[in-house]
Amino acid sequence: EAQVTQNPRYLITVTGKKLTVTCSQNMNHEYMSWYRQDPGLGLRQIYYSMNVEVTDKGDVPEGYKVSRKEKRNFPLILESPSPNQTSLYFCATSGTTSYEQYFGPGTRLTVT
Amino acid sequence: AQKVTQAQTEISVVEKEDVTLDCVYETRDTTYYLFWYKQPPSGELVFLIRRNSFDEQNEISGRYSWNFQKSTSSFNFTITASQVVDSAVYFCALSEAQSLGSQGNLIFGKGTKLSVKP
Repeated sequence: EAQVTQNPRYLITVTGKKLTVTCSQNMNHEYMSWYRQDPGLGLRQIYYSMNVEVTDKGDVPEGYKVSRKEKRNFPLILESPSPNQTSLYFCATSGTTSYEQYFGPGTRLTVT
Repeated sequence: AQKVTQAQTEISVVEKEDVTLDCVYETRDTTYYLFWYKQPPSGELVFLIRRNSFDEQNEISGRYSWNFQKSTSSFNFTITASQVVDSAVYFCALSEAQSLGSQGNLIFGKGTKLSVKP
């Protein structure tokens, strides 16, 4: 079954404590990206990756890092989380011949 | 600059009514892609449809239909005979093709919350 998985699904943490949200896909897709969803602001892209070792900033990259060492994984790293990073995070993937992006189930992050 | 506007923040209908969700987009590219996604109360984002800028054919899938008009930069979504299970937030999105074989950033509208009451 084609899947995009994210872990954890829910996380409550404190300011400054480094965390990683993992994203994994089994569809052999080249393109992966991260979005955050906030009330009133909608969905905004944080980072994206065209392929292994190729990443670039989206619209709201500040405070985040990513890496793409393997095709199937695209973790999102918050080195020093702050309360304004409290949000619902989605990972998405797509292949090179299709433009629709398929989303993971989401990770709800609360930073206190 | 790219922009997607969904002017209807919330819509409430009674079951079996038809409902149209509006989407207006802005882009300078001649090649672009338009999408609709559904976000039910459970929170996941479900892909519904993709439309290419060079294909203005309308599409029907069961009770869902989409009307793409380049002349008015609109990509509206109609649900016929709505059902309670259609209750969700619906997002329209735009992607510009950056280069052959690559995907651009998905620019989302703010979404329209549809409530279908029994």
